[in-house]
Amino acid sequence: DGGITQSPKYLFRKEGQNVTLSCEQNLNHDAMYWYRQDPGQGLRLIYYSQIVNDFQKGDIAEGYSVSREKKESFPLTVTSAQKNPTAFYLCASRLAGLNTDTQYFGPGTRLTVL
Amino acid sequence: DAKTTQPTSMDCAEGRAANLPCNHSTISGNEYVYWYRQIHSQGPQYIIHGLKNNETNEMASLIITEDRKSSTLILPHATLRDTAVYYCIVLYNFNKFYFGSGTKLNVKP
Repeated sequence: DGGITQSPKYLFRKEGQNVTLSCEQNLNHDAMYWYRQDPGQGLRLIYYSQIVNDFQKGDIAEGYSVSREKKESFPLTVTSAQKNPTAFYLCASRLAGLNTDTQYFGPGTRLTVL
Repeated sequence: DAKTTQPTSMDCAEGRAANLPCNHSTISGNEYVYWYRQIHSQGPQYIIHGLKNNETNEMASLIITEDRKSSTLILPHATLRDTAVYYCIVLYNFNKFYFGSGTKLNVKP
C-alpha cells in the first residue's frame, strides 16, 4: 500500500514545548513539502526539499525547522518560537521538480497547543 | 509570482454540471494550472492539471482560455460527495504551489 503517512492524526502539546511531526512516503518521490492550514484558509508553504540533505524555506518558515536525512522522511519540528502553532499541518511529495509532476498529500496532523 | 482568484462559494444541484471558475491573469508561459479539492479535515486530492490545452480525465474537465488568464473546472455530473473546497493552483518556480482560499462547492439534493 503506497502513499504518504503522517502521524499522529491529532497532537496536543503544552505551550513552550517543541514538537516533531512525522511524514513518511514510499512513493520514491524526490521532493517533499510541509504546509500549514488555518481554519477557513488555504495552504501556506513552510518548507520544501528537492533532494536528500537539502531544503529551502517557504513563505512562513519562522518558528519551524526540518531535516531530510532520508529520501522517505521529512520531519517537521514546531519550535517554541512559533507564535501561533495551533493549526492543521499537511505533508506532500512530488516525483521531481518538473512542471508536470503532481503533488500528493498525506492525511494531515492537527496540532493543538494548550 | 502568479496568483489565483476564485469565488468564495458556489451551489450546484445534484446531477447537474458544476463549473468552477478561476482567474490567474499573471500566469507565465511555462506555469501549469492544477486543481485540487479538499474534503473537511483531509489532505487535498489531485483532480487535474493543464498548460494551455483543454484536459479531461475520469474526474473532471479543465478548460483554459486561449490567453491562459483564466480556467474553468467542470464536474460533469455533480454528486453529494463532490461537496468540498476546490483549489485552483499555479505551480511557479518549478517547485512551489500557490494555494489561495479556494471555492466551497455545495452540492444540493
